[in-house]
Amino acid sequence: GENVEQHPSTLSVQEGDSAVIKCTYSDSASNYFPWYKQELGKRPQLIIDIRSNVGEKKDQRIAVTLNKTAKHFSLHITETQPEDSAVYFCAASRDSGYALNFGKGTSLLVTP
Amino acid sequence: DAGVIQSPRHEVTEMGQEVTLRCKPISGHNSLFWYRQTMMRGLELLIYFNNNVPIDDSGMPEDRFSAKMPNASFSTLKIQPSEPRDSAVYFCASSNWGGRSTEAFFGQGTRLTVV
Repeated sequence: GENVEQHPSTLSVQEGDSAVIKCTYSDSASNYFPWYKQELGKRPQLIIDIRSNVGEKKDQRIAVTLNKTAKHFSLHITETQPEDSAVYFCAASRDSGYALNFGKGTSLLVTP
Repeated sequence: DAGVIQSPRHEVTEMGQEVTLRCKPISGHNSLFWYRQTMMRGLELLIYFNNNVPIDDSGMPEDRFSAKMPNASFSTLKIQPSEPRDSAVYFCASSNWGGRSTEAFFGQGTRLTVV
């Protein structure tokens, strides 16, 4: 089955700096790569996703890049704010009809 | 729509007791997933259903765990007998397989404590 590795497990940045989280996956048939944000005590919520026919996608301060050849994808958060502090999960799946396989998560702390 | 609804939100039970977790997916969604979250293992997929049919239950830890989806609007995850190592947050999620969006929406989770 799919195996998703995520790094780093913890990340601390100063407010205004950028944060980068990286993931690798093992199943070459995976073609859907979402990122979820989970605040303390809350449910995971989708923040951005990318499909294998696209190399990069951006939504305001958040961007995701995908390298299908190398089987890795990354989340980039620019101009970080304290409210960005949360656990971020990457995931991969074969899209419709298949379950998401999640990385172990990255705990991001943005200090004022 | 109220989103994915799970009950109970918190459950404390004694070792050896039966525990039943419940989930109501978003109306119109045809895929349902059960995940378990712990600090050590992160978000683990336990089982998922498409159109009420179990597709992959390879993540179910052992025979003490069972899941059912008798209809499109209800699913249960049962642990019998429960053990302290089952303590975790259990999430149910649903998505629209074949739809324009394959986003998986999570419920609020059930925090299970087995003492």
